[in-house]
Amino acid sequence: DTAVSQTPKYLVTQMGNDKSIKCEQNLGHDTMYWYKQDSKKFLKIMFSYNNKELIINETVPNRFSPKSPDKAHLNLHINSLELGDSAVYFCASSQKTAIAKNIQYFGAGTRLSVL
Amino acid sequence: SQQGEEDPQALSIQEGENATMNCSYKTSINNLQWYRQNSGRGLVHLILIRSNEREKHSGRLRVTLDTSKKSSSLLITASRAADTASYFCATDLYTGGFKTIFGAGTRLFVKA
Repeated sequence: DTAVSQTPKYLVTQMGNDKSIKCEQNLGHDTMYWYKQDSKKFLKIMFSYNNKELIINETVPNRFSPKSPDKAHLNLHINSLELGDSAVYFCASSQKTAIAKNIQYFGAGTRLSVL
Repeated sequence: SQQGEEDPQALSIQEGENATMNCSYKTSINNLQWYRQNSGRGLVHLILIRSNEREKHSGRLRVTLDTSKKSSSLLITASRAADTASYFCATDLYTGGFKTIFGAGTRLFVKA
């Protein structure tokens, strides 16, 4: 079973559309993240949730709205998509304890192309 | 500017050679981690070194940490074609909550 799964794997859409990406983890972790990886492979954190509570919001445009219905799920909704939103979006989870030491487990990524 | 910056940006070596990647960071950290990303895949955790540790080994991987220079290095010994991937360092900071910041990565290409 995949530990962190995100869907869809590929998403091609027109500018101005609204789209969602879903993420689920079956590791029992308390913390989940969304990252954006641009064409130069730079990985930037967007959001982090701990037990359904938003704890990190890295000055992401408010067109991006994360939703965590429970601690195993963190979805990302994007309104009014722009060309610059084209990137690979990764979901990750971790358990921030002294033993787990915040090691993060990543999904396979969602490649978003805005035309 | 980024918290973690890897050097070199790209590295091409022959199978069997050693590969060394460096990471520099700016602020005090709790831990430093290294991750690998194969093309088209998510990141996979390789090794974590705590701020009070200087060196750590895992199989063919050796990580060093110099907190006085705010730098770390990842050494892969006897490289294999399967080691071809991008390698990222990630620093764990505590700023009211834990935050992990990734560098831009080193792309390693191991020629068979």
